[in-house]
Amino acid sequence: AQKVTQAQTEISVVEKEDVTLDCVYETRDTTYYLFWYKQPPSGELVFLIRRNSFDEQNEISGRYSWNFQKSTSSFNFTITASQVVDSAVYFCALREYGGATNKLIFGTGTLLAVQP
Amino acid sequence: DTGVSQDPRHKITKRGQNVTFRCDPISEHNRLYWYRQTLGQGPEFLTYFQNEAQLEKSRLLSDRFSAERPKGSFSTLEIQRTEQGDSAMYLCASSLQGPTETQYFGPGTRLLVL
Repeated sequence: AQKVTQAQTEISVVEKEDVTLDCVYETRDTTYYLFWYKQPPSGELVFLIRRNSFDEQNEISGRYSWNFQKSTSSFNFTITASQVVDSAVYFCALREYGGATNKLIFGTGTLLAVQP
Repeated sequence: DTGVSQDPRHKITKRGQNVTFRCDPISEHNRLYWYRQTLGQGPEFLTYFQNEAQLEKSRLLSDRFSAERPKGSFSTLEIQRTEQGDSAMYLCASSLQGPTETQYFGPGTRLLVL
């Protein structure tokens, strides 16, 4: 069965601190995709990154970086020098490749509060 | 390139009434998805269309729920005889089939059933 676990329900940091959001997934498929989305208070889910199971290279985009480790089934997200505008709920999601379904399986999200 | 749009953004209704939501996907996207999100939870899959064909429905989608995408463009989600448990955010997403497929979400319709 597919499952995504985000064990951190809420994280509070002070501006300019670094913060890492954890994501652990379960799947029996050898080919799959992992995603991170941001949901600000307005409610719209904003796509941040997609990673396929064959690509374990870490990625950096500005202040954001992602660490994908198949050995531990984890896909963690780090924000460097956090800002108040980073305050949102962050979701990790899994999609299995091919087959009849293309649905995303989401974790329960991590609420990040960045204090000024 | 305009994003996914949903209408209405908010809906308050009384228990037992029918409601209909609309989703307009990104124009070139052939796949469209509906999800439901309750407070403190991640979105949960409801159903998905490829062009006009409804290819999968979740067990969450009871007989009171029906979705259509008649011409492979916009989609509607109807809930008949609403119940208080239907109160949630209903999210629509669209994607273009392919190796780099990514679902892009609309702003959602927040439903409150009194």
